[in-house]
Amino acid sequence: GNSVTQMEGPVTLSEEAFLTINCTYTATGYPSLFWYVQYPGEGLQLLLKATKADDKGSNKGFEATYRKETTSFHLEKGSVQVSDSAVYFCALSDQNQGGKLIFGQGTELSVKP
Amino acid sequence: DAGVTQSPTHLIKTRGQQVTLRCSPKSGHDTVSWYQQALGQGPQFIFQYYEEEERQRGNFPDRFSGHQFPNYSSELNVNALLLGDSALYLCASSLEPSSFDTQYFGPGTRLTVL
Repeated sequence: GNSVTQMEGPVTLSEEAFLTINCTYTATGYPSLFWYVQYPGEGLQLLLKATKADDKGSNKGFEATYRKETTSFHLEKGSVQVSDSAVYFCALSDQNQGGKLIFGQGTELSVKP
Repeated sequence: DAGVTQSPTHLIKTRGQQVTLRCSPKSGHDTVSWYQQALGQGPQFIFQYYEEEERQRGNFPDRFSGHQFPNYSSELNVNALLLGDSALYLCASSLEPSSFDTQYFGPGTRLTVL
């Protein structure tokens, strides 16, 4: 079945450090891929998405590229801020299961000043 | 433009009781999905409603049921509550039940079962 695996957290970085959060997936079809962010006590917000291979999603300085050959969708940011501290979820939605999101377990990011 | 809203924000119930959670989708959206997020875990898909019908269902028992109204709002009902049902329940809406479409999430309802 379909699944998403994320690198385990928590990840602790200093402000302005480079961020990578790894995400790999298993899917039988051709999924769309998403990164959602969850701030403390809140629901999920879409950070970025990519709907086909080699697409790059980007938003607020974050980027992720849909790599079909390595079944990956790693999240990157060149310079993190304290305000980026949150839990990040990688997710997929398979076109054969219209709209159902399958999430990874989440990676907690803590950015220190 | 109002986003996805959910009520109540918090709820405390005891084992064996029944609970109803409510969701209003983002304006213009007619597809509603429900997810359960246990503490420290990623959300798990419960079911999806479109055109007032359950379109998809995740691996949840029949104690979990739902409904979608003509105005596209939705309810999630859980019967015979168990301690393990304690979680954050998230509602998400989208324009249509497509894998390409973005789902927008509400703030969630925190359910505690004692």
